Amino acid sequence: NAGVTQTPKFRILKIGQSMTLQCAQDMNHNYMYWYRQDPGMGLKLIYYSVGAGITDKGEVPNGYNVSRSTTEDFPLRLELAAPSQTSVYFCASSYSWNTEAFFGQGTRLTVV
Amino acid sequence: GQQVMQIPQYQHVQEGEDFTTYCNSSTTLSNIQWYKQRPGGHPVFLIQLVKSGEVKKQKRLTFQFGEAKKNSSLHITATQTTDVGTYFCASNQAGTALIFGKGTTLSVSS
Repeated sequence: NAGVTQTPKFRILKIGQSMTLQCAQDMNHNYMYWYRQDPGMGLKLIYYSVGAGITDKGEVPNGYNVSRSTTEDFPLRLELAAPSQTSVYFCASSYSWNTEAFFGQGTRLTVV
Repeated sequence: GQQVMQIPQYQHVQEGEDFTTYCNSSTTLSNIQWYKQRPGGHPVFLIQLVKSGEVKKQKRLTFQFGEAKKNSSLHITATQTTDVGTYFCASNQAGTALIFGKGTTLSVSS
C-alpha cells in the first residue's frame, strides 16, 4: 500500500495564480483532512471530509476549496494565491474519527 | 470544537535526561492522540488514549490521560538523540476532524 500520496512535493506560485494540491489514499479511509503548518504554529485544519460527497470547513478555510467525489481523492484548490498561503500542506486520512491518522509527505508551497 | 494547549513550546535536554510535554483542555476530551514529527518529516501517530486515568507505555515513552479527561502528558525517560522532533497532542469528537496542539519541540544534545 502507498498510504497517503501528495503531489507535488514542492511548488512556487506567483501571487494571483491558482493550483490544486492532490491527495490520494489507498486505505479505504472515510476521513480525510487538509492541514497547513507554519513554523512554530503547529498544524491548522483547513478542510476535512467524513466521506465521499461530504466536506466541512476547518479553522482556516479562507482562500481554499475542496471536493470529495471519491473515497480515495481529496484535492485542495488554491484560488488567487497570496503570500500568506506560503506554508507546508499536509493531507491526512483515517478510517474513523477515533483511529490513527496517516499523513502524506507534505507539499511545500511558496507564493512570491 | 475541542481546543488543546501544549506546554512547553520548546525543550532542550542533555542526552539521558527525562522530558515531559503536557496537553491541556478546558473541556472534557473524548480522546487524546499523540504524534511525533521528525525535522523535515510528517507527523506519525504514536498512541491514542480514551479512558479516564489511562496510562500506556511504549518502551521509554509513558502516556497518561487525566482522571477528568482534560489533560494528558507524554514522558520520555532517558532521552536519546533519536527522540528529537516535535510532539503533538490532538483530539476530536465523533464526526469531526482532529485538532492539534501547537506542539513541543524537543532538542537533545549528546
